[in-house]
Amino acid sequence: GNSVTQMEGPVTLSEEAFLTINCTYTATGYPSLFWYVQYPGEGLQLLLKATKADDKGSNKGFEATYRKETTSFHLEKGSVQVSDSAVYFCALSVGFGNEKLTFGTGTRLTIIP
Amino acid sequence: GAVVSQHPSRVICKSGTSVKIECRSLDFQATTMFWYRQFPKQSLMLMATSNEGSKATYEQGVEKDKFLINHASLTLSTLTVTSAHPEDSSFYICSAQTPDSPLHFGNGTRLTVT
Repeated sequence: GNSVTQMEGPVTLSEEAFLTINCTYTATGYPSLFWYVQYPGEGLQLLLKATKADDKGSNKGFEATYRKETTSFHLEKGSVQVSDSAVYFCALSVGFGNEKLTFGTGTRLTIIP
Repeated sequence: GAVVSQHPSRVICKSGTSVKIECRSLDFQATTMFWYRQFPKQSLMLMATSNEGSKATYEQGVEKDKFLINHASLTLSTLTVTSAHPEDSSFYICSAQTPDSPLHFGNGTRLTVT
């Protein structure tokens, strides 16, 4: 079956620190990979995605590269801000047009000034 | 941008009663809606996929008689937790989709059954 293993939180960093949140997956077939973010009091929002091996998704200074050889999709940001405090979910879907997502457990990130 | 409204955000009910949760797409027509459940410190688990005008497709292990899903229009899907018990206490989230757009999520509903 499909599964996503995500770095356990919570993670607390100082402003301008480097961020990595690890995500690895197992999947039948060729998955698309996603990072979703949930800001306090809001619904999940798509942060970035990658649909094939070696693709890099990026948005708002965050990046993640689809690594088929290590089945990973780690989220990185070079300099975090207080406004990045949120819960981050790694997810995958399999099959063309299939948006049935399999999620990781979520990582709560807190940035302190 | 597209907005999905989920109501209520929190609900407390007594064991044995039923609770209805609404999921509305406010500015687009959602051909498909998904219902998820999240236990503390666990991932979101897909419960069912709901297409307008047809019966919901439930994931393995989800009791369809326990969790009634109705998708009567392109902008509204409802999840009814019937004869709720304390073990049904959880965080429920809906999402909505059109064929050409990514998923849009509601803010979730925290259900507590006493």
